[in-house]
Amino acid sequence: EVQLVESGGGLVQPGRSLRLSCAASGFTFHDYAMHWVRQAPGKGLEWVAGVPWNSAYRVYADSVKGRFTISRDNGKNSLYLEMNSLRPEDTALYYCAKGIVAREDTFDYWGQGTLVTVSS
Amino acid sequence: DIQMTQSPSSLSASVGDRVTITCQASQDISNYLNWYQQKPGKAPKLLIYDASNLEIGVPSRFSGSGSGTDFSFTISSLQPEDIAIYYCQQYDNFPLTFGGGTKVEIK
Repeated sequence: EVQLVESGGGLVQPGRSLRLSCAASGFTFHDYAMHWVRQAPGKGLEWVAGVPWNSAYRVYADSVKGRFTISRDNGKNSLYLEMNSLRPEDTALYYCAKGIVAREDTFDYWGQGTLVTVSS
Repeated sequence: DIQMTQSPSSLSASVGDRVTITCQASQDISNYLNWYQQKPGKAPKLLIYDASNLEIGVPSRFSGSGSGTDFSFTISSLQPEDIAIYYCQQYDNFPLTFGGGTKVEIK
């Protein structure tokens, strides 16, 4: 059974940093692209960042480019999101999502999310 | 960036009704479009990929069609368990973008 379990969320002051993690199990992690998608309270879905299986490149939403860094450790079956210079508008539930083979940017499994609240 | 415009933003229909949601892309995205269902308090679930392909295990009352800039998503016979918000998502270009969502309720 595919499982994606996010952690690392919490309350943080504006301008500070936070690192999210996503532990994957139930599939061959190193074969698939992975993504972060967020959802502000009561709002819609916003794609944040993605990384292919081999970390050959990393792509970001304009709203987080230069502040967030996505990475993965295939040996640990884990995905990460390093978030710097956090802003109140980054407050959201952050989901880890798995891509599909040959459709890397289609999300077939999602975690339950970890909540990040940016507030003073 | 490719903008995805979904309509309506909400709808109310009776059990058994046929429900259709549309999604318009700001530029040609071929068939690089997915549909997701998000039930309250839950993570989204993939229903349709490549505009019209039903994900394994998804009931056949769900369907999708379209290509280019205009797409539609249909529930052929609305069931109580279909109460959710539905999102389209394009993956033709980065940044990946979602539609604003359509909230489906039972009348």
